[in-house]
Amino acid sequence: DQQVKQNSPSLSVQEGRISILNCDYTNSMFDYFLWYKKYPAEGPTFLISISSIKDKNEDGRFTVFLNKSAKHLSLHIVPSQPGDSAVYFCAASAGNTGKLIFGQGTTLQVKP
Amino acid sequence: EPEVTQTPSHQVTQMGQEVILRCVPISNHLYFYWYRQILGQKVEFLVSFYNNEISEKSEIFDDQFSVERPDGSNFTLKIRSTKLEDSAMYFCASSELVGAQETQYFGPGTRLLVL
Repeated sequence: DQQVKQNSPSLSVQEGRISILNCDYTNSMFDYFLWYKKYPAEGPTFLISISSIKDKNEDGRFTVFLNKSAKHLSLHIVPSQPGDSAVYFCAASAGNTGKLIFGQGTTLQVKP
Repeated sequence: EPEVTQTPSHQVTQMGQEVILRCVPISNHLYFYWYRQILGQKVEFLVSFYNNEISEKSEIFDDQFSVERPDGSNFTLKIRSTKLEDSAMYFCASSELVGAQETQYFGPGTRLLVL
């Protein structure tokens, strides 16, 4: 099931700089997109979401951008902090189903 | 802050044995889910549950799996006869409502190892 793809398995950035994590999807029926952060041996923690009627949503250091025509979304973290080091998952859902489809995850390392 | 809890954190079992994984969803949430993540793979949807019924299930969720809300707080996943390939992290999640705009909150997971 490749409906949601995160093509970069890992990303390394310097503390204080911007982290940009990318996600592509193929199903045009997706109308809600979420980013989760996951530490080893823990469950996914909700970070930020965006509805398909918007193209941007911001919450503190986290901003999600949605480009529906390109079926692409991205998560920007500014400024990046060492505590942001984790695996980031993009997920999507369609209509009234609660089923979330996850990407493979991107491991972010923020270096001090 | 309310959170989803899961027990046990780790479970080791012999192939063919039954296991029950337990979850306590966030108290005012009405929709419950199970997902799993096999090591090195994506998080995969198993089943959603609302009003004491399965709302949706994936092809993974075959007759060996069942879910139940035995009381007002617990939500369980039972695997009747475990197979080696059932070894995975199992995550419970809950949401207040379902559909667009509804965020699912995940528990810490149960690591199941089938020997």
